[in-house]
Amino acid sequence: GAGVSQSPSNKVTEKGKDVELRCDPISGHTALYWYRQRLGQGLEFLIYFQGNSAPDKSGLPSDRFSAERTGESVSTLTIQRTQQEDSAVYLCASSQSGGGPGANVLTFGAGSRLTVL
Amino acid sequence: DAKTTQPPSMDCAEGRAANLPCNHSTISGNEYVYWYRQIHSQGPQYIIHGLKNNETNEMASLIITEDRKSSTLILPHATLRDTAVYYCIVRVTGGYNKLIFGAGTRLAVHP
Repeated sequence: GAGVSQSPSNKVTEKGKDVELRCDPISGHTALYWYRQRLGQGLEFLIYFQGNSAPDKSGLPSDRFSAERTGESVSTLTIQRTQQEDSAVYLCASSQSGGGPGANVLTFGAGSRLTVL
Repeated sequence: DAKTTQPPSMDCAEGRAANLPCNHSTISGNEYVYWYRQIHSQGPQYIIHGLKNNETNEMASLIITEDRKSSTLILPHATLRDTAVYYCIVRVTGGYNKLIFGAGTRLAVHP
């Protein structure tokens, strides 16, 4: 597609429920990132996929968080047993791969706003 | 990646040039300087990047000092819509490493 698409745009859930957030990156972009942004805070790195390499999961805050990516396309971020502190906007971004500077030009989606009651 | 230092906030009058500084004194020879911005309630947006030469595009100009230890992002005629948080990031190209955003500079453009 023309841009990075995320769904749902808004999700309200009850504490303890599981949620899935989806990201469709730009076609041909091999790198995909997930970030979290709590209200009034900065961008917090969660996970990074690059081609067929093992994902960099170093930013996942707990084992309740996981993410998968199918080949070089769709990614799903799953949060199990949601807590109120999980409330945030979850942003996905994608970029080209390769050795050039374009690999660091990320295109972001509009984000998925998660509210845990 | 080299550490960057940016002022936490800046003000600019509408129509004037906004000059946003970034210090990256430990930058290495193969690291590029990237600028992004995040307008309220939106995802971050790429602005411009450069290695050692000054760069200009439709959004902004990037001036990198000769020793590459600092740079300035210039918005030549700031508008109210340029109010945003601006992030300066220094990165090598390619490889396998995540992109981390710092605190950035909160630019307020006022009438």
